[in-house]
Amino acid sequence: QKEVEQNSGPLSVPEGAIASLNCTYSDRGSQSFFWYRQYSGKSPELIMSIYSNGDKEDGRFTAQLNKASQYVSLLIRDSQPSDSATYLCAVDKYSGGGADGLTFGKGTHLIIQP
Amino acid sequence: DTAVSQTPKYLVTQMGNDKSIKCEQNLGHDTMYWYKQDSKKFLKIMFSYNNKELIINETVPNRFSPKSPDKAHLNLHINSLELGDSAVYFCASSQPQGSGNTIYFGEGSWLTVV
Repeated sequence: QKEVEQNSGPLSVPEGAIASLNCTYSDRGSQSFFWYRQYSGKSPELIMSIYSNGDKEDGRFTAQLNKASQYVSLLIRDSQPSDSATYLCAVDKYSGGGADGLTFGKGTHLIIQP
Repeated sequence: DTAVSQTPKYLVTQMGNDKSIKCEQNLGHDTMYWYKQDSKKFLKIMFSYNNKELIINETVPNRFSPKSPDKAHLNLHINSLELGDSAVYFCASSQPQGSGNTIYFGEGSWLTVV
């Protein structure tokens, strides 16, 4: 049974600080990992994808993957009020070629306090 | 140009009615999906199609019937609507490949059954 776990929050972080979002997954065969951001009333949009152990940086965002611990995280540096949203962790069993779609966690609601 | 577009965006209907949601993608992707997001914001896959062929049919009542006339379109028909069907339905598409299976979502269709 594929399962992706996230703390639902809300996670409250002061503006300018680092927001740390965590995700664990149960299927050890999972290959691809994604972070989506969803504003209230909007559709999920992709922020980061990561496939290998270690860190991947893109602007203020850093995704971290530890397959041995089955753990994915997203760090947001210099948090801005516009970062306030729900962040969805998603996992794909296949590294490519599958049409199984992604399994999503229930999301962490992040609030950046001005 | 909207990459994944779905209509209608809002739909309010009475119990027992039959309704359809249409989806089109202009990304040239082979795979399309329907996801359901409930009131607790949990995003769960319902169906996936790869090049018009049904790949995934999760535990969904058979009142829900997807139809894919071609690989750019995936429609969702719902018979005998029930109160519990009230949710946001997201159409999505992807092109599974070696670098992963990034999914792109439409703007969502807010269905309210009264």
